[in-house]
Amino acid sequence: GAGVSQSPSNKVTEKGKDVELRCDPISGHTALYWYRQSLGQGLEFLIYFQGNSAPDKSGLPSDRFSAERTGGSVSTLTIQRTQQEDSAVYLCASSLPLDRGRRETQYFGPGTRLLVL
Amino acid sequence: AQSVTQLDSHVSVSEGTPVLLRCNYSSSYSPSLFWYVQHPNKGLQLLLKYTSAATLVKGINGFEAEFKKSETSFHLTKPSAHMSDAAEYFCVLRGSQGNLIFGKGTKLSVKP
Repeated sequence: GAGVSQSPSNKVTEKGKDVELRCDPISGHTALYWYRQSLGQGLEFLIYFQGNSAPDKSGLPSDRFSAERTGGSVSTLTIQRTQQEDSAVYLCASSLPLDRGRRETQYFGPGTRLLVL
Repeated sequence: AQSVTQLDSHVSVSEGTPVLLRCNYSSSYSPSLFWYVQHPNKGLQLLLKYTSAATLVKGINGFEAEFKKSETSFHLTKPSAHMSDAAEYFCVLRGSQGNLIFGKGTKLSVKP
């Protein structure tokens, strides 16, 4: 079946502009995660959505970052007033609802490579 | 605090020789641990996962990992390396909220 898809695959923007990154999770996956992969910091968790619950935003690096998930499916990560240090690969992952042991496997999309000039 | 340490940033082996990628974790509860692989310009792919069942976990492409609680380790091994195994490997711990905590990664090079 179809995996997690992300768009665009690459995005080049100028410092100070806003960008929106999109994630389409696997159908039926109610848990959705955003991560960032950058040279200096490795892979970092950003935000997590589970069904209709309030998202866990504990990983967002600043208030310039926000994310929405409409209808429990597609998610958009928005970065306002981009800075050069925002340049990274932004990865989305989805999973089935977390069981009590939180053991569900996360499946990753191909990522969006963001370059801020 | 929960954390993952990958002990080698780069490992180089010859084709046909064994692979060992080392990982140690720190967790205050019974951990769920994973190994993911990332080939150049490709997405992250799950190799295997440990979720408190058998301590020796078999994954795809001949890889396996052994969970050792006494050593807080979850090393990844493969008996015989193939050229196609060249990639970056991440040891991952599931955090208390379900998010994944990644190690810094180990780049595996395979020489012919």
